[in-house]
Amino acid sequence: NAGVTQTPKFRVLKTGQSMTLLCAQDMNHEYMYWYRQDPGMGLRLIHYSVGEGTTAKGEVPDGYNVSRLKKQNFLLGLESAAPSQTSVYFCASSFPLIYTQYFGPGTRLTVL
Amino acid sequence: AQSVAQPEDQVNVAEGNPLTVKCTYSVSGNPYLFWYVQYPNRGLQFLLKYITGDNLVKGSYGFEAEFNKSQTSFHLKKPSALVSDSALYFCAVRDRGSTLGRLYFGRGTQLTVWP
Repeated sequence: NAGVTQTPKFRVLKTGQSMTLLCAQDMNHEYMYWYRQDPGMGLRLIHYSVGEGTTAKGEVPDGYNVSRLKKQNFLLGLESAAPSQTSVYFCASSFPLIYTQYFGPGTRLTVL
Repeated sequence: AQSVAQPEDQVNVAEGNPLTVKCTYSVSGNPYLFWYVQYPNRGLQFLLKYITGDNLVKGSYGFEAEFNKSQTSFHLKKPSALVSDSALYFCAVRDRGSTLGRLYFGRGTQLTVWP
């Protein structure tokens, strides 16, 4: 039981490049979330999903897209990376009606 | 609107002394409340939560938190701090009436326990 895993762990991009971050969970959770963590800002919700095939915007969705084609996977895409997207990205998942979220180890992204 | 405030960016305490990390919240209804801990270069780990019942909640690693509805607070406490407790601590809240399941996090409090 691996819990929540994230790929890759580190990435450096140039401005304008695109990439996809992958989150996978093996706990059969319905809900999945993408956060970004910046110094002094805590965690801010980017997008979330309450089930396969459904996604919704969080607090800071601009510049990101997501997809939830399979229940266990939640993908975060950056179509045209900007230096302001330099951050640590965390994925989390939870059951509905329980709401304890379980977090992945994070992806550290630098955009030059 | 839902929000969480952690009024202290940093808390420093000597090993063996009691520690308190403060959290206050604002929700439109009754809250679910959580504490998470983050060690360097790691993801967030769940410590404890308040859903209902006893206002004093016990969690992992000897931590506990007290829910105070009148003061809208959920302070994290430990009777005797360890150097290994040094980490970044996050408080989070969810409105019980919300169906969306999302949490609102505070900005975090860096706890340093010195030997």
